Amino acid sequence: DGGITQSPKYLFRKEGQNVTLSCEQNLNHDAMYWYRQDPGQGLRLIYYSQIVNDFQKGDIAEGYSVSREKKESFPLTVTSAQKNPTAFYLCASRSIDRGNRNEQFFGPGTRLTVL
Amino acid sequence: EDKVVQSPLSLVVHEGDTVTLNCSYEVTNFRSLLWYKQEKKAPTFLFMLTSSGIEKKSGRLSSILDKKELSSILNITATQTGDSAIYLCAGNNAGNMLTFGGGTRLMVKP
Repeated sequence: DGGITQSPKYLFRKEGQNVTLSCEQNLNHDAMYWYRQDPGQGLRLIYYSQIVNDFQKGDIAEGYSVSREKKESFPLTVTSAQKNPTAFYLCASRSIDRGNRNEQFFGPGTRLTVL
Repeated sequence: EDKVVQSPLSLVVHEGDTVTLNCSYEVTNFRSLLWYKQEKKAPTFLFMLTSSGIEKKSGRLSSILDKKELSSILNITATQTGDSAIYLCAGNNAGNMLTFGGGTRLMVKP
């Protein structure tokens, strides 16, 4: 099946630890995105990548890092510098070939809790 | 800075009711407006609207864009318990970046 997978589904982190959230897609999409969702709020963009080996900061990139070594994969690291990391993290991807259509497809999300 | 605002924040209705969800946007170099439905996990795509006044319809759901008023509405007729979800709208700009609203949480009671 084509789609986007995220792992783990739930993640618990102690303060001061870095953790990495996985996002993989087999849709052959060029662009990938990471969003953060807090209760009662919409999605806020952390980082995005439109092409392999290139990525850009979103609105709330501080305390996060990403890499895009392969087209299918866009892992997000939540570093100890992120002061309030407890949230629901969503990964999305989009085919640039679709031109003006910006229909992003979302993965199932990772819920991160800092203990 | 681009901004999208949704109202109401939450809504409780009974099965069979009709609901209207609102979305207003301030997006520089606006290209389109998207609606998503989010149940427990991943938002799923509903509609993309680019032209003012043209209704898009899928079953009991329909949506329309008003570029003059910088707004969009999502209508759901004959609501069912399965319509319970968070409905998100997002404005798409010329850089193909989405700015999401805070969502409307809809609960449909039997």
